[in-house]
Amino acid sequence: DTEVTQTPKHLVMGMTNKKSLKCEQHMGHRAMYWYKQKAKKPPELMFVYSYEKLSINESVPSRFSPECPNSSLLNLHLHALQPEDSALYLCASSQGSGYEQYFGPGTRLTVT
Amino acid sequence: AQSVTQPDIHITVSEGASLELRCNYSYGATPYLFWYVQSPGQGLQLLLKYFSGDTLVQGIKGFEAEFKRSQSSFNLRKPSVHWSDAAEYFCAVLSLASNYQLIWGAGTKLIIKP
Repeated sequence: DTEVTQTPKHLVMGMTNKKSLKCEQHMGHRAMYWYKQKAKKPPELMFVYSYEKLSINESVPSRFSPECPNSSLLNLHLHALQPEDSALYLCASSQGSGYEQYFGPGTRLTVT
Repeated sequence: AQSVTQPDIHITVSEGASLELRCNYSYGATPYLFWYVQSPGQGLQLLLKYFSGDTLVQGIKGFEAEFKRSQSSFNLRKPSVHWSDAAEYFCAVLSLASNYQLIWGAGTKLIIKP
């Protein structure tokens, strides 16, 4: 099974709201990733967790806050977002840093 | 600097015809290469990967890719496309020098003519 699940599928939020995106995998993978994807563009890496520790933060604004409660779960907490943050947010996982990544279906986020 | 180039922004192919999507990479060492497919509004699905060994790699959904070191290419092929293959295709290389991040091509949109 190579499934990564993400909830919610769609999210509409105002600029003053606080919301969270969730990601889960049960493949025993030890690396998990958050990506942002704008229309007609490849994914942009935001964060990487390796063995539940944040290993990469690609200079993402502090209004995005990742959390890895355990090896199967990854959250992305959102606060005071801007309209330009509207995008498809993808979660991925891999066996380790040098392995292929498996992606979830994404959360379509719209900031109004 | 490492990079991936997909020269074709979009390609139109008739259903049942063969397909080749081009991917060129710039990378100093032996590359780890991937092809992903993304249907509209969906996540990315791994089609195939190349790490080492046989340069002709078989993937899912009838796709294959050939690694050619001399041409720095990793082209994706399918002998007969189906309407359901219409999607965006991304080529990527794993950058060991950048903390194992994926370096992505810009993508190629595949359009299927009935």
